Amino acid sequence: NAGVTQTPKFQVLKTGQSMTLQCAQDMNHEYMSWYRQDPGMGLRLIHYSVGAGITDQGEVPNGYNVSRSTTEDFPLRLLSAAPSQTSVYFCASSYLGTGEGYTFGSGTRLTVV
Amino acid sequence: GQQLNQSPQSMFIQEGEDVSMNCTSSSIFNTWLWYKQDPGEGPVLLIALYKAGELTSNGRLTAQFGITRKDSFLNISASIPSDVGIYFCAGLRGGADGLTFGKGTHLIIQP
Repeated sequence: NAGVTQTPKFQVLKTGQSMTLQCAQDMNHEYMSWYRQDPGMGLRLIHYSVGAGITDQGEVPNGYNVSRSTTEDFPLRLLSAAPSQTSVYFCASSYLGTGEGYTFGSGTRLTVV
Repeated sequence: GQQLNQSPQSMFIQEGEDVSMNCTSSSIFNTWLWYKQDPGEGPVLLIALYKAGELTSNGRLTAQFGITRKDSFLNISASIPSDVGIYFCAGLRGGADGLTFGKGTHLIIQP
C-alpha cells in the first residue's frame, strides 16, 4: 500500500495564480482532509470530506476549494494565490468517526511570491 | 480555533534519558493521537488511544488517555538519536470533526 500520496512536493506560485494540490489514498478510507502547517501554529484543518460527493469547511477554509468525486482522490484548489497561503499542506485520511488509521501524506511546500 | 496546550515546547536531553510530554485541553476528546514529524516529512502516527484511562505502549513509547478525557501524556524511555524530531498530540471528538493539534514538542538529544 502507498498510503496517502501528495503531489507536487514543492511549488512556487505568483500572487493571483491558481493551482491544484493532488491527494490520493489507497486504504479505502471514507474520511479525507486537508491541513496547513505554519510555524508555531501546529496543523489547522482547511476542508474535509466524509465520502464521495460530500465536503465541508474546516477551521481555515477561505481561499480554498475542494471536491471529492471518488473515494480515493481529494484535490485542494487555490483559486487566486496570496502570500498568506505560503505554508506546508498535508492531506490525511482515516476511517470515519474514530480516527482509526489517521494517516498523513508527506506534504506539499507552497511558496507564494 | 482551539488548540491543545502541549508542553514542554522543547526538550534538550542526553541520550539514554527518559522523556515525558503532555497535552491538556479545556474540552473533551474521544480519541487521542500522538505523532512524530521529521523535517520535510508528514506526521507519522506513533500511538492511538480510544478509551479514557487507556495506557498503550509501542516499543519504548508509552501513552495514556486521561480519565477526564481532557489530557494525555507520552513517555519515551531510554532515548536514542533517532528519537530527535517534533512530537505532536492531537485530539479527535469523533464524527466528521478534524483533528485538533498541539503546537508540538521539539526533542533535541545532546551527544
